Amino acid sequence: QKEVEQNSGPLSVPEGAIASLNCTYSDRGSQSFFWYRQYSGKSPELIMSIYSNGDKEDGRFTAQLNKASQYVSLLIRDSQPSDSATYLCAVELTGGGNKLTFGTGTQLKVEL
Amino acid sequence: EPEVTQTPSHQVTQMGQEVILRCVPISNHLYFYWYRQILGQKVEFLVSFYNNEISEKSEIFDDQFSVERPDGSNFTLKIRSTKLEDSAMYFCASNGANEQYFGPGTRLTVT
Repeated sequence: QKEVEQNSGPLSVPEGAIASLNCTYSDRGSQSFFWYRQYSGKSPELIMSIYSNGDKEDGRFTAQLNKASQYVSLLIRDSQPSDSATYLCAVELTGGGNKLTFGTGTQLKVEL
Repeated sequence: EPEVTQTPSHQVTQMGQEVILRCVPISNHLYFYWYRQILGQKVEFLVSFYNNEISEKSEIFDDQFSVERPDGSNFTLKIRSTKLEDSAMYFCASNGANEQYFGPGTRLTVT
């Protein structure tokens, strides 16, 4: 069973702080990694993709990948109340159109 | 910005009835997917579709389910003889170059 594991939270951070979200995966053949944001009752919204080891930054978001440790993380800098949502980690076994395997998601709450 | 659209947004049906969920993927995308999310649970893969045929399906996607791309734009999921446990959000997604974009979903309620 190929699994993607996330701490379900809730993770509470004060406004302006850095939120750190973590994900581990079991299949070493995984090639592509994604972070989606899901507001309650809405669909997953892609916020970051990462394919190689290291960091990838996009605005306030930084994705980090360590394939040796089978670990991917998402940092959100200067957290805003609008960032309060569930963050889903998703993993694709090989590149090019294959299915995504999702974790259960981490609920983030940004407090005023 | 192009987006995936889905209709209806909410479908209520009685147990044993057939439903068709519709999706219009992003126009130049080549890969299409259906996922479902039961309330409070994780997003689960159902089926992927490429070049007018199923490329992969999960154990959930049994003979009760079928997919079709009846024309150049629509992508449909048919669920025959619905059961109570089919109640969920059903998401369509499409992929042009490595990234999957999700539609807003159809909430299916089976009574």
